[in-house]
Amino acid sequence: TQLLEQSPQFLSIQEGENLTVYCNSSSVFSSLQWYRQEPGEGPVLLVTVVTGGEVKKLKRLTFQFGDARKDSSLHITAAQPGDTGLYLCAGVYAGNMLTFGGGTRLMVKP
Amino acid sequence: ETGVTQTPRHLVMGMTNKKSLKCEQHLGHNAMYWYKQSAKKPLELMFVYNFKEQTENNSVPSRFSPECPNSSHLFLHLHTLQPEDSALYLCASSQVGGYYTGELFFGEGSRLTVL
Repeated sequence: TQLLEQSPQFLSIQEGENLTVYCNSSSVFSSLQWYRQEPGEGPVLLVTVVTGGEVKKLKRLTFQFGDARKDSSLHITAAQPGDTGLYLCAGVYAGNMLTFGGGTRLMVKP
Repeated sequence: ETGVTQTPRHLVMGMTNKKSLKCEQHLGHNAMYWYKQSAKKPLELMFVYNFKEQTENNSVPSRFSPECPNSSHLFLHLHTLQPEDSALYLCASSQVGGYYTGELFFGEGSRLTVL
């Protein structure tokens, strides 16, 4: 059983639309990261959240950590083709254990 | 100079070959990792080195053999692989110690195809 569940697994939208990606678990995490991976490349760290209820913004991307630190969401406003890629969440638990979600593959069509 | 560099980017090998993947990090980090990324599977942690000492080996078959000669270099030696070992192999580094936030810095990956 996967510790971190991401949804949806696939998402295809038109340029300009908004979207939200979810990362859920029954476990508590001391911190959680979001990465974006483009085809043929390694994942690139976007953000780290550590406090329950924390909200961070990175241009058109808004990241939220759940109050109980068991879930997180990534909201993209006015998506652009450059946002296309695989979005991965990863959480730290039990002090120094890190686990990744299965990823959400996003395609933004022009 | 990018933070974490991996070579080769692409590798095709037969099941009887021996090859190695190389990773070098220029970030001054003290931990390095090998991950395997297969289609339709989450990233799988293979090996962890903290301060050049191997601290994790997640039940990886012995046909994969890691080597960490210093805190900046990491190798993955491959021998007698199986076709199901075909995947993207990602190297990552991080700074551990103090409050661990789990932030990883990945290389671009080595795409391995086993024929």
